[in-house]
Amino acid sequence: DAGVTQSPTHLIKTRGQQVTLRCSPISGHKSVSWYQQVLGQGPQFIFQYYEKEERGRGNFPDRFSARQFPNYSSELNVNALLLGDSALYLCASSFITSTGNTIYFGEGSWLTVV
Amino acid sequence: ILNVEQSPQSLHVQEGDSTNFTCSFPSSNFYALHWYRWETAKSPEALFVMTLNGDEKKKGRISATLNTKEGYSYLYIKGSQPEDSATYLCASQTGANNLFFGTGTRLTVIP
Repeated sequence: DAGVTQSPTHLIKTRGQQVTLRCSPISGHKSVSWYQQVLGQGPQFIFQYYEKEERGRGNFPDRFSARQFPNYSSELNVNALLLGDSALYLCASSFITSTGNTIYFGEGSWLTVV
Repeated sequence: ILNVEQSPQSLHVQEGDSTNFTCSFPSSNFYALHWYRWETAKSPEALFVMTLNGDEKKKGRISATLNTKEGYSYLYIKGSQPEDSATYLCASQTGANNLFFGTGTRLTVIP
């Protein structure tokens, strides 16, 4: 079975531009979360979606937005990119949102802002 | 924001040695503790999810324990092999289903 897939794997953007990152969860998984990992730190929670509704939001500015589609795939959008947005963006999926469920991660999308 | 700490930050061990690392987390509002193994250029691999105080889980040569009252978890690797070299991340899960990660322990096993 395919794991969590993310695209693109690498991309370079200029300050002020906008970026869209995509995620396909494991088949049957209805919950998708997004995390940002900056070098030297652990991943930080950005958003969680379940059944197409936002269920949680981390401490990120409004430039960050996301959505989940009827097929449970998800997009993360970042507007007005800053140099500090350069990071690895990880998508994670799980079957449901209850605690104790294994949460599976994709390989991530490397974003470089120049 | 939960303060999850891992120690040591990095360590080098000889092949065949056993090793362990620590994850500490706030014991209040605790729901679950996750351990991941993360190799460079790969996705984090889920190792364990633990919820109950005193939980012990094992997967091959790797095992983990959980103490929710004092807020710590240990990960043990018995007879380390070069393929165990990776960053080991722990994350505390809140009721909102968010994961709060530590910064990881980078393990290098020397052949």
